[in-house]
Amino acid sequence: GAVVSQHPSWVICKSGTSVKIECRSLDFQATTMFWYRQFPKQSLMLMATSNEGSKATYEQGVEKDKFLINHASLTLSTLTVTSAHPEDSSFYICSAPLSGLNYGYTFGSGTRLTVV
Amino acid sequence: QQPVQSPQAVILREGEDAVINCSSSKALYSVHWYRQKHGEAPVFLMILLKGGEQKGHDKISASFNEKKQQSSLYLTASQLSYSGTYFCGTEGSNAGKSTFGDGTTLTVKP
Repeated sequence: GAVVSQHPSWVICKSGTSVKIECRSLDFQATTMFWYRQFPKQSLMLMATSNEGSKATYEQGVEKDKFLINHASLTLSTLTVTSAHPEDSSFYICSAPLSGLNYGYTFGSGTRLTVV
Repeated sequence: QQPVQSPQAVILREGEDAVINCSSSKALYSVHWYRQKHGEAPVFLMILLKGGEQKGHDKISASFNEKKQQSSLYLTASQLSYSGTYFCGTEGSNAGKSTFGDGTTLTVKP
């Protein structure tokens, strides 16, 4: 149980275009979703926290106009990378708390974004 | 602030044991551990909430020393499937907002 389905698994796009990444909670309601970015051989860096029905909270240094987050329902959160550039190429992962905050987190399978 | 993991990498033979440490410079609310295989998302292993708590599943266990702001992950009689990068995630007073260590790469060889 407690599965987060993330799509697409990988995407290659041209500079200047926008890419949308979706995370769906399949068998539970995710009121909170965390979005991370991970560069090769590095740790997970929290980009933003989305909460259903309210504005996302962005970490310092993350451009909210570039990384648009929408959490319109209890089962869907999306991250849109707007006007993507090669430096945005990375592994993007979403994560939701399991049954509240005391039981760890479940992660999506990740999206490998390559901007050419 | 990011927790510090040690060692950065470890190479084992099947059946050997390993310990991975995670320490923080600030007070911790909880510590959780994950394993990530190359190209995949992290998989949750366990969470420790209370100082002195110890948990385990199969041959992987962990402890949490709240006073020292440290946690250790113990892998006993390692199997080939244990290979991957292990991350600790910590939460301070702002529960729900995790900070991850840089990871420890574990390689188990036959």
